[in-house]
Amino acid sequence: KAGVTQTPRYLIKTRGQQVTLSCSPISGHRSVSWYQQTPGQGLQFLFEYFSETQRNKGNFPGRFSGRQFSNSRSEMNVSTLELGDSALYLCASRLAANYEQYFGPGTRLTVT
Amino acid sequence: DQQVKQNSPSLSVQEGRISILNCDYTNSMFDYFLWYKKYPAEGPTFLISISSIKDKNEDGRFTVFLNKSAKHLSLHIVPSQPGDSAVYFCAASANNNDMRFGAGTRLTVKP
Repeated sequence: KAGVTQTPRYLIKTRGQQVTLSCSPISGHRSVSWYQQTPGQGLQFLFEYFSETQRNKGNFPGRFSGRQFSNSRSEMNVSTLELGDSALYLCASRLAANYEQYFGPGTRLTVT
Repeated sequence: DQQVKQNSPSLSVQEGRISILNCDYTNSMFDYFLWYKKYPAEGPTFLISISSIKDKNEDGRFTVFLNKSAKHLSLHIVPSQPGDSAVYFCAASANNNDMRFGAGTRLTVKP
């Protein structure tokens, strides 16, 4: 069974631009969560989607948004990028009834 | 708000000895706890978990202990191996809702 895939793996953007990251979950997993990882802050929860609906949301500004498609693939969008948005963005999928999440390798976003 | 805290950013142990990684939490509603291991350039991988109805769960060299009254859990690795060198994240969830992670502890196991 293929794991969670994320594209692109690396991205460099300029302050003020917007960016879209993509995540394909493990087949059969309908729950997809997004996290931001920065040094010293661990993994900060952004949001979780289940069956195309946002189920939970973390404490991030409205510039961070996401969506999930009918095939469970998910995208995350960040508008008006700031230098502080530079981070590793991780996507994780799971079976809705299970706690264990399976993570993708992440997208390393650098904002200059 | 840091509901899950890992106060030790790093830990170094000798191969063959025990590694103890600690985690504290503040939310008494958390009912499930997990440990993840992360190597550079990879996403975290699930290691071991424990439900709040238990106080210990063991899987091979890895054991997780939960002390609900102290809101504290720990991961024991015995014996430690160089391949265990990674960043370890503690995570917690309430009612199968969003997962809260700690900041991670970098474990280095020296040969």
